[in-house]
Amino acid sequence: KAGVTQTPRYLIKTRGQQVTLSCSPISGHRSVSWYQQTPGQGLQFLFEYFSETQRNKGNFPGRFSGRQFSNSRSEMNVSTLELGDSALYLCASSLGLAGGSMDEQFFGPGTRLTVL
Amino acid sequence: EDQVTQSPEALRLQEGESSSLNCSYTVSGLRGLFWYRQDPGKGPEFLFTLYSAGEEKEKERLKATLTKKESFLHITAPKPEDSATYLCAVQRGRDDKIIFGKGTRLHILP
Repeated sequence: KAGVTQTPRYLIKTRGQQVTLSCSPISGHRSVSWYQQTPGQGLQFLFEYFSETQRNKGNFPGRFSGRQFSNSRSEMNVSTLELGDSALYLCASSLGLAGGSMDEQFFGPGTRLTVL
Repeated sequence: EDQVTQSPEALRLQEGESSSLNCSYTVSGLRGLFWYRQDPGKGPEFLFTLYSAGEEKEKERLKATLTKKESFLHITAPKPEDSATYLCAVQRGRDDKIIFGKGTRLHILP
């Protein structure tokens, strides 16, 4: 079956702009999690959505937001971009078993965001 | 503060030379621990989930173990295709948040 897809794969923006990233999970998966990966900080959890509701949230400012649609596809938005937002943004999907994200997560290839 | 520390940061081995990667953690109420493999330019690939101390899981040349303070990823007779960054993550029990370590870059020389 098809894996997790993320669009776009690469994006260049300037400071102050906003950006929307998209993630399509594996068919049948209801949970989508977003992560930011940088060389200095590694992988950091942004948030998780399950059945269109945010189920968990990391320690990122309110400029980072997301949503999930009824077909489980998810979008992540970053407003007022800063240079430090340059990173690889990864999306992961899972079945979304009761009680959290302990079931196996399948990651997409990521979106490489560069902020100039 | 809850954290996950992986060591070493980087490791170079000869093909066939077995070794272990370490993931030590301090977290309030561990729900589980994950191991992932990440190749350059790709998203992480799930390897194992461990839930309780004493648990072990194996997959091909990899074996993951868990104690109350750390996890080990043992690599037996590695091959060049095992070269990747190996990531460890824990899920915190009180709020289900997932915390990743910074990874170990493994390079297997032919």
